[in-house]
Formats: sequence, structure tokens, C-alpha cells
Amino acid sequence: DAEITQSPRHKITETGRQVTLACHQTWNHNNMFWYRQDLGHGLRLIHYSYGVHDTNKGEVSDGYSVSRSNTEDLPLTLESAASSQTSVYFCASSGKGLTGELFFGEGSRLTVL
Amino acid sequence: AQSVTQLDSHVSVSEGTPVLLRCNYSSSYSPSLFWYVQHPNKGLQLLLKYTSAATLVKGINGFEAEFKKSETSFHLTKPSAHMSDAAEYFCVVSVAWGGKLIFGQGTELSVKP
Repeated sequence: DAEITQSPRHKITETGRQVTLACHQTWNHNNMFWYRQDLGHGLRLIHYSYGVHDTNKGEVSDGYSVSRSNTEDLPLTLESAASSQTSVYFCASSGKGLTGELFFGEGSRLTVL
Repeated sequence: AQSVTQLDSHVSVSEGTPVLLRCNYSSSYSPSLFWYVQHPNKGLQLLLKYTSAATLVKGINGFEAEFKKSETSFHLTKPSAHMSDAAEYFCVVSVAWGGKLIFGQGTELSVKP
């Protein structure tokens, strides 16, 4: 079955370190998204991509970057981790057109000490 | 600009009683609206979606929602709650083509035996 997987599921790091969260989908979807989930804020969009070599900033993109070198993967990089980036991160994907059905990974819990 | 407001951060019901989770939206054009569910430590799953067809939308697990343009509402209901319905529910509005979505802050549903 097609799926979307995130790794690592849990990560503890220190302030100032670079961290990369991986996202891999086997749906062959063009669209991929990174969200962060924080209490009282719901899910907020960090970055998104509509295809290979396409990346776009979401509403909370500062301190994060993504790259899309193939259809399956959209890694999220925190260049210099900050305590404010402690959160649960969700990757999602969707196919062509506005169906609204995002397929979500199970999340990566990041703690920045 | 598009936005969505979930009117209750927490709702508690008894098993077998009706469920009502309230959502108001703001959109500068005819929106697409969705409800997603998140069980503990899991990713999000699509419950149902409205995309300008029938105003009463039926979803999985007996949930349904009614789009009311005059009230800018998209409330989620279920006639009889089950223990397995305990989860967090997100009302979501589409921003543009391509699955870019804006999430409400979430409503936590508790179901008492």
C-alpha cells in the first residue's frame, strides 16, 4: 500500500544544531507540505512544494528550509535549531487538483534544549 | 483572506448522545471546507469535505456536516457518540488550488462511558 513516512519519529537536539526531518511518500503525489502543530495553534504551514525543484514558503517559514530533488521526498531542515521550534512536525501530500485530501505522516516530535 | 474558527476548544459528551462541533469560516470566494480527525499520537485523517456540491456532506464513521453560506458555518455532527470518537477534530478551509489548507485550532472531543 502507498504511504507517507516520517523519520525520525522523535528527536532531541540542542540549540544551534542543524536538524533534518525526512519525509518520504509512495503515493507519487506532486504536492507535499510541512506543518507544525502546537497547542492552541492547530497546524501551521511551514513550506510546501508542487513538484520537483518547486518550493514555497508558508506562514511560519523563518528558520526552516526544504528542497525537492525528486517526487518522493521533501526533507525539512532547521538550519540552527531554536527552543521555539520545539513542536510536532507533520508531513503531508496530495495529488493533482484541489481535492483537499491530504495524506499525513504520523509526525515527528522535535525537542530543542 | 481565508480563515477558520472553531468555537469550542473542548467538547465532552456521553456515549450514545449527539455530537456537535462548531466551525465558522471566512473566505473571499466560494470555499472548499473539510473536517479532519486526529487520534492520539497519530497523523490526521480526512473525515469529510465540501466542495460546492450538496450542502449536507456525509463522511466516515457516521459523521456529517452542513455548509451554511448565510451563517458562514460548517458544523460537524454525529447522532450518537462512540468511545472510539474521542479525538481531536480540525475544521479546515482551502486557500487555493493544490491542497494548501488553513487549519482551525482544533476541538478535543471527550466521550464518557
